[in-house]
Amino acid sequence: SAVISQKPSRDICQRGTSLTIQCQVDSQVTMMFWYRQQPGQSLTLIATANQGSEATYESGFVIDKFPISRPNLTFSTLTVSNMSPEDSSIYLCSVPAVDTAFFGQGTRLTVV
Amino acid sequence: AQRVTQPEKLLSVFKGAPVELKCNYSYSGSPELFWYVQYSRQRLQLLLRHISRESIKGFTADLNKGETSFHLKKPFAQEEDSAMYYCALRGMDSNYQLIWGAGTKLIIKP
Repeated sequence: SAVISQKPSRDICQRGTSLTIQCQVDSQVTMMFWYRQQPGQSLTLIATANQGSEATYESGFVIDKFPISRPNLTFSTLTVSNMSPEDSSIYLCSVPAVDTAFFGQGTRLTVV
Repeated sequence: AQRVTQPEKLLSVFKGAPVELKCNYSYSGSPELFWYVQYSRQRLQLLLRHISRESIKGFTADLNKGETSFHLKKPFAQEEDSAMYYCALRGMDSNYQLIWGAGTKLIIKP
């Protein structure tokens, strides 16, 4: 199993600013996923972060808006840049396993 | 197109009544199906997966390939079952990426 500590748990930010979300895993993992969950909607994969290489972004998400760092096998950050109210959402990091996936607690972001 | 559909956003039943949360999928290949649950103020966690064919907290789900469904069932609902339930799919060669349904909020009334 893997335990993921994600922070901050919530934040209220001004439009035009950036927020960096951190996820720390209690074991070394090759792959980490970053999701967005907009109000009343499902989880949408933003990108896959592998250590030692650039993140792979899904359609509709770009590195300039959502830069990701993966400096080692236990840590990753997602930055939401130049925020607008449309970025208000829950952001989740996740670690896949053979038979399941583990999740951080989520970051509830409100952009005003 | 690969898709997971949970037709009910909200399901409300009385304690002791049977529960069925619907999940249909569209996938060209051999999928793995999962149910995840998120209780209030807790993180998302695995409830069960079709491969294990287990009963977890009284819940079962059978993969019906003919109907492309993976409905979650429990014969007698309990108040502690109130939560958000997500059906998810993963292809056997999908690099561990999950495709998610929109979720169903289950409320068990006393």
